[in-house]
This record gives sequence, C-alpha cells and structure tokens, in this order.
Amino acid sequence: DTEVTQTPKHLVMGMTNKKSLKCEQHMGHRAMYWYKQKAKKPPELMFVYSYEKLSINESVPSRFSPECPNSSLLNLHLHALQPEDSALYLCASSSRRTSGGVSPDTQYFGPGTRLTVL
Amino acid sequence: AQSVAQPEDQVNVAEGNPLTVKCTYSVSGNPYLFWYVQYPNRGLQFLLKYITGDNLVKGSYGFEAEFNKSQTSFHLKKPSALVSDSALYFCAVRTGTALIFGKGTTLSVSS
Repeated sequence: DTEVTQTPKHLVMGMTNKKSLKCEQHMGHRAMYWYKQKAKKPPELMFVYSYEKLSINESVPSRFSPECPNSSLLNLHLHALQPEDSALYLCASSSRRTSGGVSPDTQYFGPGTRLTVL
Repeated sequence: AQSVAQPEDQVNVAEGNPLTVKCTYSVSGNPYLFWYVQYPNRGLQFLLKYITGDNLVKGSYGFEAEFNKSQTSFHLKKPSALVSDSALYFCAVRTGTALIFGKGTTLSVSS
C-alpha cells in the first residue's frame, strides 16, 4: 500500500481565518514533505520532516506553520494567508534510507488540498 | 546545482502511436531520476525511477524510460499511446532529501 491521504480535499478561507491541512501515511515512512503547486507548474518544496523533526524550511513565510505530531501525521497550519497563497498543497512521504547522502527512495504523493484564499 | 529540463511544453500524439517525453539532467555524482504523472486536479503518481543498473527502466501503465549517461537524458516512452495517457508529466531528480522537478510536459493523445 503506497497511499498518502490528505484532508480536506478543498478549502476556502478568508485572509483572517485559521485553518489546518492534514496528511497521513501508514507506510512506515520517516520522511514527510509539504509542497505547494500552482496550476500547470511543478511542485515547490516547502518543508521536510525527517524522523518527526523539521529538517528543511525553504524560506516559507511564517503564516505557514508545519507540525509533525507523530511518524504518521503531518499538519500544515494556516493563518493570515494572502490570495496569492491559493494553490494545490501536496503532501508526500518516503523512507529515510540514504546512499552517499542522497536518498534513492521514492516520494509518494497524496491527492492534495485545493486551497482558495479570498 | 542539480537540475532537470523538459524541453517540450506539450507533446501531441495519436492513439496507438509511440510516445516520447524528453528529460535531460544536470547532476554531480550518480543521478536518481524519477518520472511522475499528474491528472487534472490530482496529486502526482509515481511512474518509474532510475537508481542504478539497467539503463531501460520499466514502470507503471506500460511506461518505460531510457537512461543515457553520455547524453544526460532520461526520456519517458510508451510503445502505444492511449487517450487516457493524456496528462501532465514531470521528470525529477533527487538531491539530498528533496526532489527537483522539471517544468512539466503536457501530453495530449488524440483518438
């Protein structure tokens, strides 16, 4: 089973709202990722968690706050977003094996959350 | 810096004909290369990857890719295209713990 689930599928929020995106995997993967994808563009990495610790933050604005409560769950807390933050937010997971510092393991993606900020 | 390039924004092919979606890479060291497909309003689905070994990699849904070290290419191929193959295809290279994606190629298969 290579399933990554994400909820909700769609989210509409105002600029003053606080909301959260949720991602879950039960593959025993120890690396989890958040990506942002604009229409017809490649995904852009936002955050990487490795063994439940934040290992990469790609200079993401603080209005996005990630959280990894346990090895199966990844959340993205949203607050005071801007309309330009509207996008498809993708979660992914992979094993954490490395070979010379680079992991050959496949990242498996969830279906994404379509976020619209009004 | 590690990168991948997909030189074609769009590839058009008739159903039943062979298809090729091109990808070239620039990496230091051994490349770990991936192909993903994305259908409208969906996440990315893994098709195949090259880590080491045989230069011809077979993947899901009848797709395969040929790794060519001298040409630094990793083109995606399928012998006979289906209309249902129409989607957005991404080539990617693994660097550290992250994936770097090409810009994507839209494949359109006509009946």
